[in-house]
Amino acid sequence: NAGVTQTPKFQVLKTGQSMTLQCAQDMNHNSMYWYRQDPGMGLRLIYYSASEGTTDKGEVPNGYNVSRLNKREFSLRLESAAPSQTSVYFCASSESGLVGNEQFFGPGTRLTVL
Amino acid sequence: DAKTTQPPSMDCAEGRAANLPCNHSTISGNEYVYWYRQIHSQGPQYIIHGLKNNETNEMASLIITEDRKSSTLILPHATLRDTAVYYCIAEDSGYALNFGKGTSLLVTP
Repeated sequence: NAGVTQTPKFQVLKTGQSMTLQCAQDMNHNSMYWYRQDPGMGLRLIYYSASEGTTDKGEVPNGYNVSRLNKREFSLRLESAAPSQTSVYFCASSESGLVGNEQFFGPGTRLTVL
Repeated sequence: DAKTTQPPSMDCAEGRAANLPCNHSTISGNEYVYWYRQIHSQGPQYIIHGLKNNETNEMASLIITEDRKSSTLILPHATLRDTAVYYCIAEDSGYALNFGKGTSLLVTP
């Protein structure tokens, strides 16, 4: 089992460019999440998907869109990248959103916007 | 969500127990206490969670005070590989985990 995989691992964008971060999990989990982590800070939730076909905003959704393509895949899109979106992006999944269900995290995508 | 307060950093000698405190004085009755850790720049890793009772697993023990206003994560025999940022989270669902800044634990030889 690969767990949670993310592509790409690194990306440099110019201001205004768009890109999609990909995330896939092979644990048959229902819930998936996108977080961002700025230097010296904890993780902040961008969007989550409680189950296939649903998505909800987290703490910092502005400037992002998400798609729950199927049960395995959850993508994050930056339509017009800004320097403030320079960050490390983590995808995670859990069996459900019920209390006690641990979240499993991917290795992260390191994004720099110039 | 209850706000948690953790010391920014702690040191521990290798082989000794590491006791990481967390204050969550405003925790509500249905909020659980979760602990995650993040080693270097990897994705966070779940450690343990609990509601009222003390919990133990293969990684750590979680001690929650009777009034639930604080808790302590115990790594019984810390190793160099336990050097990481440890996050204490109080949450009533599994969705929106608020990671905060955590405690940076340095295990020294």
